[in-house]
Amino acid sequence: SQQGEEDPQALSIQEGENATMNCSYKTSINNLQWYRQNSGRGLVHLILIRSNEREKHSGRLRVTLDTSKKSSSLLITASRAADTASYFCASTDSWGKLQFGAGTQVVVTP
Amino acid sequence: EAGVAQSPRYKIIEKRQSVAFWCNPISGHATLYWYQQILGQGPKLLIQFQNNGVVDDSQLPKDRFSAERLKGVDSTLKIQPAKLEDSAVYLCASSLDRGAVTGELFFGEGSRLTVL
Repeated sequence: SQQGEEDPQALSIQEGENATMNCSYKTSINNLQWYRQNSGRGLVHLILIRSNEREKHSGRLRVTLDTSKKSSSLLITASRAADTASYFCASTDSWGKLQFGAGTQVVVTP
Repeated sequence: EAGVAQSPRYKIIEKRQSVAFWCNPISGHATLYWYQQILGQGPKLLIQFQNNGVVDDSQLPKDRFSAERLKGVDSTLKIQPAKLEDSAVYLCASSLDRGAVTGELFFGEGSRLTVL
């Protein structure tokens, strides 16, 4: 079973716009991670936020975490065509078990 | 640094046949994961190894799936007999130390299985 849900399921934007996607999870976590997957490829790690952190930045990525609501968001600023991919959040428990959500498919048009 | 290697990349079999997938993790990575990703869905964890011991296999259909990690390095995932619903991409990932607690997972390119 999936650990949580992601919203929206699909997102279509133009280059230069910001893309925001949300993730909810069900159980207590050690950390939450975001991954990107290009079509037909494996997953690539983007960013990790620990349960005692509220916000984290990496380049054009900004991640927030609200443990009281069991939710996280990923913001991609100034989107590029190369950002077209599926984005997954994944929650980690204390045993290192990483469970993924259903993902958000992002299409960035030039 | 070499990444996670998986083979074969593609496999087509008939239902009730068997298939095996192989994974070679990044050198020194103690934790190894197998995920099943059905088209349009997120990856579903099948089994997690810490060295050569199983940490979690609660979602592994043990009547038909088996996995082993010999000497805490390479791993194989076997399906016998295959069903139509096993058509998916099988992803292997590895991580240092205590896996995702410590940090990121590194994924292979996956093995795409089609069951006819």
